[in-house]
Amino acid sequence: DAKTTQPTSMDCAEGRAANLPCNHSTISGNEYVYWYRQIHSQGPQYIIHGLKNNETNEMASLIITEDRKSSTLILPHATLRDTAVYYCIVRDRTTSGTYKYIFGTGTRLKVLA
Amino acid sequence: EAGVTQFPSHSVIEKGQTVTLRCDPISGHDNLYWYRRVMGKEIKFLLHFVKESKQDESGMPNNRFLAERTGGTYSTLKVQPAELEDSGVYFCASSLGDSRVLQYFGPGTRLTVL
Repeated sequence: DAKTTQPTSMDCAEGRAANLPCNHSTISGNEYVYWYRQIHSQGPQYIIHGLKNNETNEMASLIITEDRKSSTLILPHATLRDTAVYYCIVRDRTTSGTYKYIFGTGTRLKVLA
Repeated sequence: EAGVTQFPSHSVIEKGQTVTLRCDPISGHDNLYWYRRVMGKEIKFLLHFVKESKQDESGMPNNRFLAERTGGTYSTLKVQPAELEDSGVYFCASSLGDSRVLQYFGPGTRLTVL
């Protein structure tokens, strides 16, 4: 299975940018990187995804290195409501040719007032 | 539009009992996935349906787990008999297609086996 590696936890001051790194050195050439987050007692919620170009949406930015072996999720102005576990996810092809998400351990981000 | 829903939100049962978890995907989503996170571990894939057909159940831990999706709408995941190591959070996700399409997750069912 393709794997992702993330730091276990990070703190960020409210209003500052939160930069969450992820290593995915075994990602295949045509596979996307997905970021989700899980706020306590909810299911994983989609944030952003990308292939090789940097991406931005209303929630976050995603910076992917040129060799695609790592990426960084950026929350530009973190708020207390961004406190959550952030998952960097790659997909893997199943035995039947369909796709499954491969979750890492995630980074527990705590935004401090 | 309603998201993925799961029932119950919590279930506490004793070892050896049976429990059935239910997932209602987003309306119109043919693809349905089950994942789970057991204590201290990552969220892991269990199986994938396209409509009523199982596409891959390579992640199912053993034959005490049975998933069904009769009629291609909602899905159930039955654990019989439950063991202590089955405790964890069971997530369901659905997607409109499979290739490149996002999976939308439900809130999960927290299962505790005593």
